[in-house]
Amino acid sequence: QITLKESGPTLVRPTETLTLTCTFSGFSLSGRGVAVGWIRQPPGKALEWLTHVYWDDDKRYNPSLKSRLTIIKDTSKNQVVLTMTDVDPVDTATYYCAHLDGTRWYYYDYWGPGILVTVSS
Amino acid sequence: DIQMTQSPSSLSASVGDRVTITCRAAQDIRTYLNWYQQKPGKAPKVLIYGASSLQSGVPSRFTGSGSGTDFTLTISSLQPEDFATYYCLQTSSAVGYTFGQGTKLEIK
Repeated sequence: QITLKESGPTLVRPTETLTLTCTFSGFSLSGRGVAVGWIRQPPGKALEWLTHVYWDDDKRYNPSLKSRLTIIKDTSKNQVVLTMTDVDPVDTATYYCAHLDGTRWYYYDYWGPGILVTVSS
Repeated sequence: DIQMTQSPSSLSASVGDRVTITCRAAQDIRTYLNWYQQKPGKAPKVLIYGASSLQSGVPSRFTGSGSGTDFTLTISSLQPEDFATYYCLQTSSAVGYTFGQGTKLEIK
């Protein structure tokens, strides 16, 4: 059974760096075709894809946020860490991590429950 | 990145109705298109992947079609639990993925 869960601060000050951790079970991030990604959703708005890291450490970033994002995997701990620098109130959102099935069609099939992060002074 | 245009942005329908939601890609994405259902306060749930493959456990009243730039999600006979927001997601681009803006399906 695949599960994922996001953890981290729920309140961050503007200009600070946000660090979120996705802890997962039921699969290994060393398995071919597997990736873990991050998606966010501002309150009342649409989903926005941020980034993901593949089993072979290949990484992809949303071009509009690339300069601020870093994704790192720790296969031994079954964790993926997202950092976002220089946060702003517009970064207030629910952040989800998700398992990507990349063996053929590339789709997020398992999601964490999400964590609401508020950026405010 | 590849822009995805989803329509309509909202839709009112009744139980038993047939509804169609469309997604248009700004360039050819072959069949790398997924559909998600999201209910308030919950994570999205995948319904369709590869444009037309039904995810395990999803009712057969959900069907996806299309290729290239034009895609549709059809719900053949709306059930009360289908009222939610639906999103498409393109996973074709090596640069990155893009969601549509969503379609909120409401009870008429």
